Amino acid sequence: AQSVAQPEDQVNVAEGNPLTVKCTYSVSGNPYLFWYVQYPNRGLQFLLKYITGDNLVKGSYGFEAEFNKSQTSFHLKKPSALVSDSALYFCAVRSPTSGTYKYIFGTGTRLKVLA
Amino acid sequence: EPEVTQTPSHQVTQMGQEVILRCVPISNHLYFYWYRQILGQKVEFLVSFYNNEISEKSEIFDDQFSVERPDGSNFTLKIRSTKLEDSAMYFCASSDWQGGRETQYFGPGTRLLVL
Repeated sequence: AQSVAQPEDQVNVAEGNPLTVKCTYSVSGNPYLFWYVQYPNRGLQFLLKYITGDNLVKGSYGFEAEFNKSQTSFHLKKPSALVSDSALYFCAVRSPTSGTYKYIFGTGTRLKVLA
Repeated sequence: EPEVTQTPSHQVTQMGQEVILRCVPISNHLYFYWYRQILGQKVEFLVSFYNNEISEKSEIFDDQFSVERPDGSNFTLKIRSTKLEDSAMYFCASSDWQGGRETQYFGPGTRLLVL
């Protein structure tokens, strides 16, 4: 079965430290991979997307993600966390299935950046 | 900065009633999406729309759902006969492609409550 896993419900990191939010996937074919962020009481925002090419994808707000095919992972990273990065982060994958495409979202990881 | 807008911000309806959720995508965007998020749960993809037709839809998007771009600016989601489990926050998004990269922009959402 196709799936996306975000193994950590919450990640705490001190301001200024690097952060990593983990995502692994299990899909057939060549997936498109996404990260979205949802700030408190606000809607979704798109951060970045991997289609093909360079495994390191740069996105909005200084975030980047690394596609690792052998480990089927797409972890979100930022070199130096800000308190304002505190939010709910969703990983998603778009995968072909039965002739159409399906988006599968992870359950979300709550990032808390401590001052 | 251009943004995606959605109306209404909140809607309360009785089970079995029809609802239409409206979205105004960013004007030069060509790809449109609807997602929903049941309170406290993960995001679900509903449908994507390009060139005046559905390009992708999820298993959630059954015959009770339809989308339309009636006048070249609005992008609507219709639920013909609402069910209690349709209560959720519905997000519209539109996207553009620049340099081979897609960026999605989300609206603020419509909170639908089915009683």
